[in-house]
Amino acid sequence: KAGVTQTPRYLIKTRGQQVTLSCSPISGHRSVSWYQQTPGQGLQFLFEYFSETQRNKGNFPGRFSGRQFSNSRSEMNVSTLELGDSALYLCASSLVGGPGTGELFFGEGSRLTVL
Amino acid sequence: AQKVTQAQTEISVVEKEDVTLDCVYETRDTTYYLFWYKQPPSGELVFLIRRNSFDEQNEISGRYSWNFQKSTSSFNFTITASQVVDSAVYFCALKKGETSGSRLTFGEGTQLTVNP
Repeated sequence: KAGVTQTPRYLIKTRGQQVTLSCSPISGHRSVSWYQQTPGQGLQFLFEYFSETQRNKGNFPGRFSGRQFSNSRSEMNVSTLELGDSALYLCASSLVGGPGTGELFFGEGSRLTVL
Repeated sequence: AQKVTQAQTEISVVEKEDVTLDCVYETRDTTYYLFWYKQPPSGELVFLIRRNSFDEQNEISGRYSWNFQKSTSSFNFTITASQVVDSAVYFCALKKGETSGSRLTFGEGTQLTVNP
């Protein structure tokens, strides 16, 4: 079955712009979570959505937001981009996302460069 | 607060050598889960193993084995007879037991290079 699909794979933006990244989870998976990966901060949790509701949020400013649609597809948005937002953004899906599951299936990520 | 430490930033070995990747974690929870993921150059994180805090049995899967010791808060990963295809970044991660959903705390990762 198809894995987690993230689009676009690569994008370049300038400071002050906004960006929207998309994630299609594995069919049947209802939980989608997002992670930011940078050389300096490593892998950091952004947020998780389950059944269209944000269930968990990491320590990121309000410029980072997300949503989930009824078909479980998710988007994340970053407004007023800063140079420090340059990162690989990884999306992960899991069947339920509750305790005892934990096996997250990751996409290949969207690599964002902010100039 | 939770924390995962992978003290080895980079490891380089020659093919067929055994290699152990260290992982030390900190948590105040009694129920938690530990994971190892592999990140090849393509970027996606590949799930390798999950362990819960009540199961300290070591596990072996082919050339991979994991040693979980609650007494030292460690969850080390050994690759036996390493191969070039094992070259990747390996991440250890921790999840709170009951309420954290899919929120993982990752270590900094260990870049493993296996040379032919």
